[in-house]
Amino acid sequence: SQKIEQNSEALNIQEGKTATLTCNYTNYSPAYLQWYRQDPGRGPVFLLLIRENEKEKRKERLKVTFDTTLKQSLFHITASQPADSATYLCALMIYNQGGKLIFGQGTELSVKP
Amino acid sequence: DVKVTQSSRYLVKRTGEKVFLECVQDMDHENMFWYRQDPGLGLRLIYFSYDVKMKEKGDIPEGYSVSREKKERFSLILESASTNQTSMYLCANLDRAKGTGEGYTFGSGTRLTVV
Repeated sequence: SQKIEQNSEALNIQEGKTATLTCNYTNYSPAYLQWYRQDPGRGPVFLLLIRENEKEKRKERLKVTFDTTLKQSLFHITASQPADSATYLCALMIYNQGGKLIFGQGTELSVKP
Repeated sequence: DVKVTQSSRYLVKRTGEKVFLECVQDMDHENMFWYRQDPGLGLRLIYFSYDVKMKEKGDIPEGYSVSREKKERFSLILESASTNQTSMYLCANLDRAKGTGEGYTFGSGTRLTVV
């Protein structure tokens, strides 16, 4: 069966450290993988997209890697801040399916001062 | 940047009522989506549309229908609301013309409670 799995446990880290979140998938051949941030009671906000032929993408303090052999993406937040506390969702976009995204369940990140 | 507006943040309806959830975008984008989000289950796709009067079923369409009479508006309809449709409903928009460098833009969500 097709699955997308993210760390089910909440991640608690100290301010200034690097947070690393994992997204694993099975039985998909995604065209793109995306990461979103979601705050309580709000809709997700798009952060980064990485294509199947890209290994790494960076945006300010964010870095995403994509390994299609391992079927895994890692999402890093460097120099983390309490304001980074939120739930982070990974999502796959599959070819020729009208642009629909398939989401993981999300990982809750808490950054302590 | 596109703005996606959902008409209600909170809604309480009775079992058996017909419920309309409205979503409006302020651009001319083709692709619009309705998801529901539940604890432990994540976001699940209900329906999507890639043009006016076009619709496609997502993963959980049962008990729902949609309407897209104008490009800017995509409505989700609960034909006869049931308590298992209590959920957070999220509308999203995708600008395909921008290519693949952009993700979805989501609305703020409607938290629906069916009693």
